[in-house]
Amino acid sequence: GIQVEQSPPDLILQEGANSTLRCNFSDSVNNLQWFHQNPWGQLINLFYIPSGTKQNGRLSATTVATERYSLLYISSSQTTDSGVYFCAVCFGDDKIIFGKGTRLHILP
Amino acid sequence: DSGVTQTPKHLITATGQRVTLRCSPRSGDLSVYWYQQSLDQGLQFLIQYYNGEERAKGNILERFSAQQFPDLHSELNLSSLELGDSALYFCASSVEPTGPQYFGPGTRLTVL
Repeated sequence: GIQVEQSPPDLILQEGANSTLRCNFSDSVNNLQWFHQNPWGQLINLFYIPSGTKQNGRLSATTVATERYSLLYISSSQTTDSGVYFCAVCFGDDKIIFGKGTRLHILP
Repeated sequence: DSGVTQTPKHLITATGQRVTLRCSPRSGDLSVYWYQQSLDQGLQFLIQYYNGEERAKGNILERFSAQQFPDLHSELNLSSLELGDSALYFCASSVEPTGPQYFGPGTRLTVL
């Protein structure tokens, strides 16, 4: 089956720093989404991005479907950015697989 | 607030029992998804419904079943519960079958 790998698994940064999170997938996908799970457990939709680049404030994402990867950029990190970032791909008969996530800690 | 509601927030039950989790999608969303999140398995896709019909099936056990009703709310039924079924169960919804998904707050199930 399709494999989804996220890197790095953990990231500790000082407030104000920038970061890049990566999601690799092993086969063609129908779509790709990025989610943030905050420390209270809520999953928040960040981007729906099967291809191309999107920006939303300090966050942006790029998916290169032909090379089977997606990147999530966080600029000027804030403590509220802490949590786990997941990418999720939809493939085949609309099955969905989540990566294991990147756990981000932003220190004040 | 995503607009997706789930009840109950917490559920504690015993092995062998049966429980029902409920989800109401965002207004206008036709598709509902169920997920299980546990420490060892991560986030697992269970099943998707679109406008009342099953659309996609993931790693859903035979002891689990779901349905989407005419008013578009959905229920996930878990039976013959085992200790390993303890997890967070999320519901998500979207307008289209493969569109952006919005998650509810989850139901935390503890099986003792």
